[in-house]
Amino acid sequence: GAVVSQHPSWVICKSGTSVKIECRSLDFQATTMFWYRQFPKQSLMLMATSNEGSKATYEQGVEKDKFLINHASLTLSTLTVTSAHPEDSSFYICSARDMERGTYEQYFGPGTRLTVT
Amino acid sequence: EDKVVQSPLSLVVHEGDTVTLNCSYEVTNFRSLLWYKQEKKAPTFLFMLTSSGIEKKSGRLSSILDKKELFSILNITATQTGDSAIYLCAPQDGNQGGKLIFGQGTELSVKP
Repeated sequence: GAVVSQHPSWVICKSGTSVKIECRSLDFQATTMFWYRQFPKQSLMLMATSNEGSKATYEQGVEKDKFLINHASLTLSTLTVTSAHPEDSSFYICSARDMERGTYEQYFGPGTRLTVT
Repeated sequence: EDKVVQSPLSLVVHEGDTVTLNCSYEVTNFRSLLWYKQEKKAPTFLFMLTSSGIEKKSGRLSSILDKKELFSILNITATQTGDSAIYLCAPQDGNQGGKLIFGQGTELSVKP
């Protein structure tokens, strides 16, 4: 149980294009999902908290118009990197809370490696 | 400002050794503390600690939390090469949907 998937697992795109990353909770419902970014040799940095049916809460310094988050259902959240630039190249990871268990445990997806050329 | 400090930052041991990884934190709305193991991909969940002084154990790994002194330790006994990874400590903010504040991690390398 508590499996989170992400798609795609890796993507290469050209500068100026947009990329959408999906995060799904496969065997549980997640009213709250989180999006993180991890640069090489660094720890995970929270970008935003995504709540089903409402607007995401972004961390300080994260541009909400550049990183669009949609959480339309209890099992799916999407992150769209708009007008991507090489400095957006990173490892993007989502996590989800299992609400049915009533706990605060968070389970991570396998991550999406984005390379912007 | 919330802060998490892990030590050591890196550690090299031989198979069979016992290691202790440390995590100290300052989090305004602390709810619990989670430990994760990260190899090449995303972190995998190890433990969630909510109460002080109660050890959680899973095989050769164990962890405990001290909410008075604001720290946690992760112990690994009889280390194996498969334990080589980055271990991340993440206190959880109870007021913001349970967001995690990650430390910089301890990189453990276990030599045969």
